[in-house]
Amino acid sequence: EDQVTQSPEALRLQEGESSSLNCSYTVSGLRGLFWYRQDPGKGPEFLFTLYSAGEEKEKERLKATLTKKESFLHITAPKPEDSATYLCAVQAVGSGGSNYKLTFGKGTLLTVNP
Amino acid sequence: GAVVSQHPSWVICKSGTSVKIECRSLDFQATTMFWYRQFPKQSLMLMATSNEGSKATYEQGVEKDKFLINHASLTLSTLTVTSAHPEDSSFYICSARDPRGLGTQYFGPGTRLTVL
Repeated sequence: EDQVTQSPEALRLQEGESSSLNCSYTVSGLRGLFWYRQDPGKGPEFLFTLYSAGEEKEKERLKATLTKKESFLHITAPKPEDSATYLCAVQAVGSGGSNYKLTFGKGTLLTVNP
Repeated sequence: GAVVSQHPSWVICKSGTSVKIECRSLDFQATTMFWYRQFPKQSLMLMATSNEGSKATYEQGVEKDKFLINHASLTLSTLTVTSAHPEDSSFYICSARDPRGLGTQYFGPGTRLTVL
């Protein structure tokens, strides 16, 4: 069974204080690892897709990296508007109609104080 | 990024009535769409995978007769909650897989269902 574990559950930062969120995964074969941002009462917003170990992607203050067992979402000099829940999900290599299914972690609630 | 819409954004209904939620991919054709349910302060729980022109695939524990899914076109999937009860109150979110490029799933804004 595919499993995704995110840590920490919650993280409070001061504006400008850089940090990282962790996503550990267990999957039979990784098709892709996805990062989303979710604001309260809204659907998840796509951030990154990573496919192979060693891959890195950046967008503004965010940088996602991938190893064979985990992914990190690095946040550099965060601002209050970066406050949200960050979700990690994996897509496993499978067969049939569910081979695009995502398995989500429970998320990390990030709060950035001004 | 690709855009997925949901309608309505919120709905209140009486116990025993049925509610239909629409999910549309606005700028791409989605052969595969997904329906999720999210309880407060919890992560997304996949309910079913919807493939255009075929029957939906439901996750274990999800009642097929209660949550009817139809994917009649490449841009529209619907979820009908039949004979809704208060325990069906939740936040329902759809996603659509964009087959172009990396095949990323894009999510709709969600529908808040409250059953009285």
